Amino acid sequence: NAGVTQTPKFQVLKTGQSMTLQCAQDMNHEYMSWYRQDPGMGLRLIHYSVGAGITDQGEVPNGYNVSRSTTEDFPLRLLSAAPSQTSVYFCASSYIAGVWYEQYFGPGTRLTVT
Amino acid sequence: AQSVTQLDSQVPVFEEAPVELRCNYSSSVSVYLFWYVQYPNQGLQLLLKYLSGSTLVKGINGFEAEFNKSQTSFHLRKPSVHISDTAEYFCAVSETNAGKSTFGDGTTLTVKP
Repeated sequence: NAGVTQTPKFQVLKTGQSMTLQCAQDMNHEYMSWYRQDPGMGLRLIHYSVGAGITDQGEVPNGYNVSRSTTEDFPLRLLSAAPSQTSVYFCASSYIAGVWYEQYFGPGTRLTVT
Repeated sequence: AQSVTQLDSQVPVFEEAPVELRCNYSSSVSVYLFWYVQYPNQGLQLLLKYLSGSTLVKGINGFEAEFNKSQTSFHLRKPSVHISDTAEYFCAVSETNAGKSTFGDGTTLTVKP
């Protein structure tokens, strides 16, 4: 299994540009989520999904869109990039196994918006 | 709503010394508790978890943590650290009826020779 994969690893955008961060998992996990990690602030939840066709907002959803058309993929779209979106983005997945949710993380995408 | 506070942002320690990374949480419902480790330029990896049962939980790489419900704490300990333990450590809490996790701000453990 490849686990959770993210592309690209690095990206530089100009203010106002749009782009999609890709996330895929091959573990048949129902639950997937996107976090951003900023220095000294830990991980903050952007959006999450409990299954194909179902998404919901996390703590910091503004400026980001998601969709979940398949179990495997959960792309994150930046509609109009802003310097405040410079961050490291992590995708995670977990199986909803009745009582607990261990999350498996991808390697991250380092995004710089100039 | 749930929250997590990691009481130390940085913990420097010498090799082979013991270490404790402190984590307090708050929640109005039952929770699951996790510690993750992040090595430089990598994603997060689960160290250990508390779901129920024994309050002393053992994880990978010789780490253990103790759940204290009355003090709402979940401190991480290792009796003797190695240089390779240098990393960022995150405490996280999930409510038992939801999949979302809330993470602390992280503690940077630096092990010196």
